[in-house]
Amino acid sequence: GAGVSQSPSNKVTEKGKDVELRCDPISGHTALYWYRQSLGQGLEFLIYFQGNSAPDKSGLPSDRFSAERTGGSVSTLTIQRTQQEDSAVYLCASSARLSYSYEQYFGPGTRLTVT
Amino acid sequence: GQSLEQPSEVTAVEGAIVQINCTYQTSGFYGLSWYQQHDGGAPTFLSYNALDGLEETGRFSSFLSRSDSYGYLLLQELQMKDSASYFCAVSHYGGSQGNLIFGKGTKLSVKP
Repeated sequence: GAGVSQSPSNKVTEKGKDVELRCDPISGHTALYWYRQSLGQGLEFLIYFQGNSAPDKSGLPSDRFSAERTGGSVSTLTIQRTQQEDSAVYLCASSARLSYSYEQYFGPGTRLTVT
Repeated sequence: GQSLEQPSEVTAVEGAIVQINCTYQTSGFYGLSWYQQHDGGAPTFLSYNALDGLEETGRFSSFLSRSDSYGYLLLQELQMKDSASYFCAVSHYGGSQGNLIFGKGTKLSVKP
């Protein structure tokens, strides 16, 4: 079946503008995760969703970041008033359910550049 | 808090064996995963250890010692295509913690 898809693949925006990043998980996967990866660095956890439960937002770096997941499927990560330090690759992943969080399937990522 | 330590870089020659170590400090440890990421690509799942011992999947093996908070990824018969970054990650499912905590990654360079 289809893997995790993300759009756009690349986004260049001006400092101060808002951006929306989209993630479409593997069909049937109930857990969805967002990470951020700066150049040459590891993955920084941002937020995860499991089914209809309240998301775990503990990794969001500031209140400029928010995410929602509609209908238990597609998720959107929104960054308001972007700053240059927000430039990174934003990766989305899904797993069959939260108890399978050890095996996550990643999308290709969105490369965000804030100028 | 949680922390993982792994070497930043490793170099080996084609056909050789290389071991990438990972030590961790975390509460509510559940298991240790390994992911591979080629430059510009997405991380892909390689293996998972929840119990002590060795798990083998083809040329790759992964080991875990819970008492030592230590694991490693063993790559045998290295090929040029194995040049990539390798991340260990701790899962600590339970309560509200269902995410993976990733190490900073080990960049493996395979030379001819």
